[in-house]
Amino acid sequence: AQSVTQLDSQVPVFEEAPVELRCNYSSSVSVYLFWYVQYPNQGLQLLLKYLSGSTLVKGINGFEADFNKSQTSFHLRKPSVHISDTAEYFCAVSRSSGNTGKLIFGQGTTLQVKP
Amino acid sequence: SAVISQKPSRDICQRGTSLTIQCQVDSQVTMMFWYRQQPGQSLTLIATANQGSEATYESGFVIDKFPISRPNLTFSTLTVSNMSPEDSSIYLCSVRQRGLGETQYFGPGTRLLVL
Repeated sequence: AQSVTQLDSQVPVFEEAPVELRCNYSSSVSVYLFWYVQYPNQGLQLLLKYLSGSTLVKGINGFEADFNKSQTSFHLRKPSVHISDTAEYFCAVSRSSGNTGKLIFGQGTTLQVKP
Repeated sequence: SAVISQKPSRDICQRGTSLTIQCQVDSQVTMMFWYRQQPGQSLTLIATANQGSEATYESGFVIDKFPISRPNLTFSTLTVSNMSPEDSSIYLCSVRQRGLGETQYFGPGTRLLVL
């Protein structure tokens, strides 16, 4: 079975500062990794994904994530945040083989960008 | 990406009644899923909607409470039966499509409040 731990429930940061949202996963098999964002009163939007290849993944809105297999981590980063980045961020995993499509989500991290 | 719509977008229901949520996709997709997001919580998979056969439910979810239909490759419904206040949640439809890799795309969600 897979599990996902997002290490911070809330991350306050000032506008234009860098931010890192941490995600660790546990799995006995190879996985695919995803970051989704949920803006207030909206559904989930895919930010980026790691399926294979380069461990540094670039996504939309200037976000990127680094897959570290040895540390079983997939931390999300942005060098300079905007007020509009205020949202809930979810890390998720699915198994890569025999993939049923099931996504396991972390508990979410609330990013609060302050002016 | 697939464009997904859900109806209704929100509803307020009385205890003991049932609500059917519709999910429509703008293209044929191989897999459709239903997730629940309880207030302030992460997403939990309810079931995989299988076209032409019974849905596959996750542990803790049963067909009598959450009957699901998927008559074709672009449409699915989830019914929340005999509702109680504990069913107040956001219900999200998601899809995965061949040719789009392992990515799941999410609908905007249905916000349900049970009084």
